[in-house]
Amino acid sequence: QVQLVESGGGVVQPGRSLRLSCAASGFTFSTYGMHWVRQAPGKGLEWVAVIWYDGSKKYYGDSVKGRFTISRDNSKNMLSLQMNSLRAEDTAVYYCARAGFGITWYYDYWGQGTLVTVSS
Amino acid sequence: QSALTQPASVSGSPGQSISISCTGPSSYVGDYNYVSWYQQHPGKAPKLMIFDVSNRPSGVSNRFSGSKSGNTASLTISGLQAEDEANYYCSSYTSSSTLYVIFGGGTKLTVL
Repeated sequence: QVQLVESGGGVVQPGRSLRLSCAASGFTFSTYGMHWVRQAPGKGLEWVAVIWYDGSKKYYGDSVKGRFTISRDNSKNMLSLQMNSLRAEDTAVYYCARAGFGITWYYDYWGQGTLVTVSS
Repeated sequence: QSALTQPASVSGSPGQSISISCTGPSSYVGDYNYVSWYQQHPGKAPKLMIFDVSNRPSGVSNRFSGSKSGNTASLTISGLQAEDEANYYCSSYTSSSTLYVIFGGGTKLTVL
């Protein structure tokens, strides 16, 4: 069965960096686009970034552009999010999510999320 | 980028039908058939309920349906059940200036 397992969350000071990972299993990872979506405590969902199935294209939400970098290693079935220059407003649960097969814009599987807290 | 607009809350009694609207600019909703809907129970990950406006993934009850008219998409839940009580989010996509995915602010459904 499809599984997405995020890791790497924790408490980090403003201005510091953190790297999130998402281990994928149960499907052919290299054929699916992957996204990061976050949710601040008590708030709604916010799209963070997308990476094409082959890593050839990457796009980011305005609030993270220039600070976050999405990447993938298809040989290891791993998705990553490098987060630099973290701010208090980046505090959220970060979900990795699989896009539907092909060039699609919905998420058919989600991980359980990893909490990132940016605080001094 | 402005969010898609959803009502903050809706409610209904068991067995009734409710609809949740999702309104946005034409560049998000009207121009594309990429609206999707997610159900989220407290402390849980979101679950896909509807994709591409009106398609239901396998395993999702046929009590859930989606539609779109102009710049407004809607999720309808018929035969409300207690377990439908959750937050619901719509989502869409645009590539008008740059590729972007956006979510609505969410709607809290209360089953009375």
